[in-house]
Amino acid sequence: DAGITQSPRHKVTETGTPVTLRCHQTENHRYMYWYRQDPGHGLRLIHYSYGVKDTDKGEVSDGYSVSRSKTEDFLLTLESATSSQTSVYFCAISAGTSGGDETQYFGPGTRLLVL
Amino acid sequence: KQEVTQIPAALSVPEGENLVLNCSFTDSAIYNLQWFRQDPGKGLTSLLLIQSSQREQTSGRLNASLDKSSGRSTLYIAASQPGDSATYLCAVRRDNNFNKFYFGSGTKLNVKP
Repeated sequence: DAGITQSPRHKVTETGTPVTLRCHQTENHRYMYWYRQDPGHGLRLIHYSYGVKDTDKGEVSDGYSVSRSKTEDFLLTLESATSSQTSVYFCAISAGTSGGDETQYFGPGTRLLVL
Repeated sequence: KQEVTQIPAALSVPEGENLVLNCSFTDSAIYNLQWFRQDPGKGLTSLLLIQSSQREQTSGRLNASLDKSSGRSTLYIAASQPGDSATYLCAVRRDNNFNKFYFGSGTKLNVKP
């Protein structure tokens, strides 16, 4: 299994509070992603990173920010949590090199409940 | 925008049956397509990745095919087992620069003993 951990694995928080989720990898892969998974919507990309300090928005980025100060860590912050952000959040990594390993590997997920 | 659809949403089959899962996408200009398995409460596990230049990939009892021109991929599972019960998702990668993936909602497979 690819070395990807997410913390916390479960979190309950209140509306309006900031929340930070952490993704840590030991594979030294260049690309890292944050997805959310909701019933009926599949996985949707929130933000992704293509290198240290290099990030870009996905299709559902409103209300979220990210940071990547080291290759191995990618943080997702909910600025002011809302009930609509209750979801399961997955981190993924990819070497992304053409002709090499282009597989996307996923972490175990974080279940977030916003009350 | 790329739309990825998986039909049916759920499938129940008896053990030992060969089965096909379907994935369709609206934009044929893809870079590659990946099939995943997801067990309840778990993350996604990669099964097979097909490059846009390939027609199929095989791993054990699994065979994935790709027809870019028609916007379709199929995942064939031979001699299904109860342990194959899971949700299967396909994901399309848009191009080799943006490194973005678009996922289907998955097909939930139940293999009955």
